[in-house]
Amino acid sequence: GENVEQHPSTLSVQEGDSAVIKCTYSDSASNYFPWYKQELGKRPQLIIDIRSNVGEKKDQRIAVTLNKTAKHFSLHITETQPEDSAVYFCAASIKDNAGNMLTFGGGTRLMVKP
Amino acid sequence: DSGVTQTPKHLITATGQRVTLRCSPRSGDLSVYWYQQSLDQGLQFLIQYYNGEERAKGNILERFSAQQFPDLHSELNLSSLELGDSALYFCASSVEGRATGEQFFGPGTRLTVL
Repeated sequence: GENVEQHPSTLSVQEGDSAVIKCTYSDSASNYFPWYKQELGKRPQLIIDIRSNVGEKKDQRIAVTLNKTAKHFSLHITETQPEDSAVYFCAASIKDNAGNMLTFGGGTRLMVKP
Repeated sequence: DSGVTQTPKHLITATGQRVTLRCSPRSGDLSVYWYQQSLDQGLQFLIQYYNGEERAKGNILERFSAQQFPDLHSELNLSSLELGDSALYFCASSVEGRATGEQFFGPGTRLTVL
């Protein structure tokens, strides 16, 4: 089955700096790569996703890049703010019309210091 | 609010007991997914149902079972509970047949086994 590795497990940055979280996956058939943000005691919420036919996607301060050949993808957050502090999970799946079984990475705890 | 509801919010029980967790998906969503999130662990996929039928199985123990009813709500049954089953159990739902694969998570049920 799919295996997703995520690094680093914790990341501390100063407010205004950039943060980068990296993930690798094992199944070359995976075609959908979402990133979820989970605040303490809350549900995971999708912040951005990318499909395998795209190399990069941006949404304001958040961007995701995908390298299919190397089987890795990364989340980039620019101009970090204290409210970005949370646990971030990457995931990979094979998306078909009946849904997608997400395999999650182990999570990265991001702390943005004011 | 994602539109996915889960009951109960908290559940405290003893080892050896059996519990049922309930999930109602967003209106119109046909797929329901169950995930387990243990302390210091990421999100582990348990099982997916699509329009009443089991679609995919992950790391679900034989002591656990699930079903999706004709009204599309789902129940996760956990039996012969052990201390290690203490975790946050999330249900998620998604719309099928679309290019986007976003899964919407419910608020979770926190299970404590004493």
